[in-house]
Amino acid sequence: GENVEQHPSTLSVQEGDSAVIKCTYSDSASNYFPWYKQELGKGPQLIIDIRSNVGEKKDQRIAVTLNKTAKHFSLHITETQPEDSAVYFCAASNRPGGGNKLTFGTGTQLKVEL
Amino acid sequence: DGGITQSPKYLFRKEGQNVTLSCEQNLNHDAMYWYRQDPGQGLRLIYYSQIVNDFQKGDIAEGYSVSREKKESFPLTVTSAQKNPTAFYLCASTPGGGTDTQYFGPGTRLTVL
Repeated sequence: GENVEQHPSTLSVQEGDSAVIKCTYSDSASNYFPWYKQELGKGPQLIIDIRSNVGEKKDQRIAVTLNKTAKHFSLHITETQPEDSAVYFCAASNRPGGGNKLTFGTGTQLKVEL
Repeated sequence: DGGITQSPKYLFRKEGQNVTLSCEQNLNHDAMYWYRQDPGQGLRLIYYSQIVNDFQKGDIAEGYSVSREKKESFPLTVTSAQKNPTAFYLCASTPGGGTDTQYFGPGTRLTVL
């Protein structure tokens, strides 16, 4: 089955700096890679996703890059703000025949310091 | 007000009791999922259902049961056979029809005393 590794487990940045979170996956057939933000005591919220036919996707201060050859994908947050502080999860899915089962990384606790 | 609702937000049970967690969605989504989240860990899939009256085991189904009698409802029962039931339980749904995005509910924190 799919295995997703996520690094780092904790990340502290100064407000205004950039933050990068990296994930690797094992199943070369995986073709869908979402990123979720989870605030304390709440459900995860999708912030951006990318499919395997695209190398990069951007949405305002958030971008995701995908390297299929190396089987890794990364989340980039620019101009970080205190409200970006949360736990971020990456995930991977191979939908055909898999019922869209997402395999999640173990999460990154991002802290944006003033 | 559309979305996924889970109730209750906090649930306490005595060891050895079965407990059922509610998940309802009014998004007309085809597929629904149950995940378990433990502190400092990612989400692990318990069960999922792609259509009414059908469901499949996820990675950690032992000690859990589900039903999908209605499209909008996917209740999860945590049985006394589940050895470590204390966790944060999350329900999600997907529109289906080729759309992969999973949308999550607010979660239920179950504590077994």
